[in-house]
Amino acid sequence: AQKITQTQPGMFVQEKEAVTLDCTYDTSDPSYGLFWYKQPSSGEMIFLIYQGSYDQQNATEGRYSLNFQKARKSANLVISASQLGDSAMYFCAMREPSTGNQFYFGTGTSLTVIP
Amino acid sequence: NAGVMQNPRHLVRRRGQEARLRCSPMKGHSHVYWYRQLPEEGLKFMVYLQKENIIDESGMPKERFSAEFPKEGPSILRIQQVVRGDSAAYFCASSPPQGAFEQYFGPGTRLTVT
Repeated sequence: AQKITQTQPGMFVQEKEAVTLDCTYDTSDPSYGLFWYKQPSSGEMIFLIYQGSYDQQNATEGRYSLNFQKARKSANLVISASQLGDSAMYFCAMREPSTGNQFYFGTGTSLTVIP
Repeated sequence: NAGVMQNPRHLVRRRGQEARLRCSPMKGHSHVYWYRQLPEEGLKFMVYLQKENIIDESGMPKERFSAEFPKEGPSILRIQQVVRGDSAAYFCASSPPQGAFEQYFGPGTRLTVT
């Protein structure tokens, strides 16, 4: 079974609008971390936001927020007030100590912001 | 505080040659991870190393690939007798000593096999 599933290969959003990128995960470990990374066309992996499995509140970092629904095993990324520079690939990832702390990545969502 | 350094950023090799990719972790980080990203895919775990130890190499192909993280110097990912299918971006990440969740990624090395 896939550890991380991203079902949206591509998304479009109008500039200044909000967009939600979906991510579901699969783990039986009670302790885990969920991450979102941005990969622009230049190729580097840029850390955006982190949510721990025991965190009571949804994580927020500036225009990024993580909609964490533990019972549904989903960790959707919400980008508010989209900017042209947000156009990139977005990867959801999970880390669980029971498997040595390696990251499991989804297949990514390509986001295009339309002016 | 410099981030994770990888070199070279781009590497071109002919089929059958060897490729050596280097990763210098962030200062104070003793754990290194290597990931491979094939075109149009997400990153896939290859190997997890601490200084002088391979902790988990479950994602490494059984042949031609090896990794090390010596006591001194960078971590090295070595690919012998490269084939076209090895063309990919190879990312290194480092993390602080055990217990910390965060991993910091380097800029990647893009390997092209001609």
